[in-house]
Amino acid sequence: KQEVTQIPAALSVPEGENLVLNCSFTDSAIYNLQWFRQDPGKGLTSLLLIQSSQREQTSGRLNASLDKSSGRSTLYIAASQPGDSATYLCAVPEGGGSNYKLTFGKGTLLTVNP
Amino acid sequence: GAGVSQSPSNKVTEKGKDVELRCDPISGHTALYWYRQSLGQGLEFLIYFQGNSAPDKSGLPSDRFSAERTGGSVSTLTIQRTQQEDSAVYLCASSLDSGQGAGEQYFGPGTRLTVT
Repeated sequence: KQEVTQIPAALSVPEGENLVLNCSFTDSAIYNLQWFRQDPGKGLTSLLLIQSSQREQTSGRLNASLDKSSGRSTLYIAASQPGDSATYLCAVPEGGGSNYKLTFGKGTLLTVNP
Repeated sequence: GAGVSQSPSNKVTEKGKDVELRCDPISGHTALYWYRQSLGQGLEFLIYFQGNSAPDKSGLPSDRFSAERTGGSVSTLTIQRTQQEDSAVYLCASSLDSGQGAGEQYFGPGTRLTVT
């Protein structure tokens, strides 16, 4: 059974700092890995999806890397801003075939202080 | 185009009552998923729809929970005889199931259910 772990559980940084969020998974036979952002009381916003054949994906100040063999992914946020404050979740599909049901980590709560 | 929508956004119900939660997926997305997010458990998968059929119901916590999907579009999650432990945020997601972009899930805003 796939298990996803995110470290740290919470992180508080001053504005402008670069930071790294970590995600690990126990079963390396994944199809892809998705990073999400969740604001308080809101749904999930997809940030980046990395296919299993890819090593990294970039979107603006965000860069996600994937190392399937070691069961790890990192989300790098450059020049953090107060608006980046949210919970960040990583998730991997666990279903097979066309069923991509996701297993989630418990998230990292990020606070960026002005 | 429009994203995934869910209704109601909030629902307060008395223990023992039935509730229905609705999800409108992104047009053209054949796959639809329901998840539940509670404080102690994080985000958990409930059920997966491929078109109108549900080949994976393995996450439904009890037989009080059921779901259907009609016309390959709207889905309804029904909870009968609600219990306080059913209080959670219920999230719906949709995705393509083949081709480029397959498996990338887009989530709705959720329905916050409170059972009193």
